[in-house]
Amino acid sequence: DVKVTQSSRYLVKRTGEKVFLECVQDMDHENMFWYRQDPGLGLRLIYFSYDVKMKEKGDIPEGYSVSREKKERFSLILESASTNQTSMYLCASSFVIQPQHFGDGTRLSIL
Amino acid sequence: AQKITQTQPGMFVQEKEAVTLDCTYDTSDPSYGLFWYKQPSSGEMIFLIYQGSYDQQNATEGRYSLNFQKARKSANLVISASQLGDSAMYFCAMREANRDDKIIFGKGTRLHILP
Repeated sequence: DVKVTQSSRYLVKRTGEKVFLECVQDMDHENMFWYRQDPGLGLRLIYFSYDVKMKEKGDIPEGYSVSREKKERFSLILESASTNQTSMYLCASSFVIQPQHFGDGTRLSIL
Repeated sequence: AQKITQTQPGMFVQEKEAVTLDCTYDTSDPSYGLFWYKQPSSGEMIFLIYQGSYDQQNATEGRYSLNFQKARKSANLVISASQLGDSAMYFCAMREANRDDKIIFGKGTRLHILP
């Protein structure tokens, strides 16, 4: 079975902190994605990556950056956390044109 | 304009009844794929079923089937013989060939199965 692991289920940080969300997949998928999920808004794509060291902006990249130094790991970085970044963050991975497989999500609260 | 529209924010259905969750989509790309995902209260997103735009038959996976009506741009999920464990949020999503591998999600339908 595909395993996508997010480093934390719950995380509480303070405004202005630099926050790292880690995602690891074990299926050698080329593609990796970061979404945020908010009530009434569904899932919105923040960033995605097709290969190591490659990244593309999604629909809402402002305030975020990403890093993909190894194929299995895709990190989401909040450079200076703000309260409007309190959300559920979901990581996903896939082979090209195949369904995405998701991690369990990280509920991030910024105080 | 929304690419994926799920018009039912919430539904209540009696256990063992069939359920239809609505999804309409908007694209001018002739090549696209449609997905349904389930999200239980625990938060993980579970892939349920996939339909390609050129597939001649409606996709089926166990109790799940996708009622694909291409001319109407409709891709409704049908769950037969609903179970209490089907209570969850359900998302319809689309991937367009000209958008690489990005997927656009609808806002979801929350399904409650009543005992």
